[in-house]
Amino acid sequence: GAVVSQHPSRVICKSGTSVKIECRSLDFQATTMFWYRQFPKQSLMLMATSNEGSKATYEQGVEKDKFLINHASLTLSTLTVTSAHPEDSSFYICSARDPFWDRSNYGYTFGSGTRLTVV
Amino acid sequence: DQQVKQNSPSLSVQEGRISILNCDYTNSMFDYFLWYKKYPAEGPTFLISISSIKDKNEDGRFTVFLNKSAKHLSLHIVPSQPGDSAVYFCAARGDTGTASKLTFGTGTRLQVTL
Repeated sequence: GAVVSQHPSRVICKSGTSVKIECRSLDFQATTMFWYRQFPKQSLMLMATSNEGSKATYEQGVEKDKFLINHASLTLSTLTVTSAHPEDSSFYICSARDPFWDRSNYGYTFGSGTRLTVV
Repeated sequence: DQQVKQNSPSLSVQEGRISILNCDYTNSMFDYFLWYKKYPAEGPTFLISISSIKDKNEDGRFTVFLNKSAKHLSLHIVPSQPGDSAVYFCAARGDTGTASKLTFGTGTRLQVTL
């Protein structure tokens, strides 16, 4: 089945530094990838949608200069949290969509998430 | 503006009984609905889905019902097992050409007791 690999699974960084999170589709080419953020006991909130080779589309209220998204290939998207602050501490999850899906999940596959802690 | 809502934040069910998780939505343009199971610090795991042109889909112990007129869907788990204890999210796909993004509900924590 479709697999999405997300790394790192957890990262601790100092305030003011930048952190990069990678999302890879391992056995399919994903023209579209999504980045979500989840605060404790809350829902998954979509941050942005990235399409291979073009600029990401950010949801309202998400700072594009703070959360840099790059989707340079059909199998890799990265989220960089720039100048991280403690309030950026959260659980970040990526999702990749297989455009040729033939499963009942409509092609959406999720990564295992990244726990970011900014100290 | 929460377009997908799960009004019960938690549910406790005895092992062997039926678990019913509910989800309401406001956007009539949603065309697919999906249910996910999630553990803390892990990504969501897909369970079952339903197209907006159907009213029921069944897969093993899981059945999803869709009532379009009421903008309501529910997930039935029968029989419930202790391993089903997790947080369940419903998600809806927008048919608006916006890269087919999913909108998630607020989640329901299911506890299956012995």
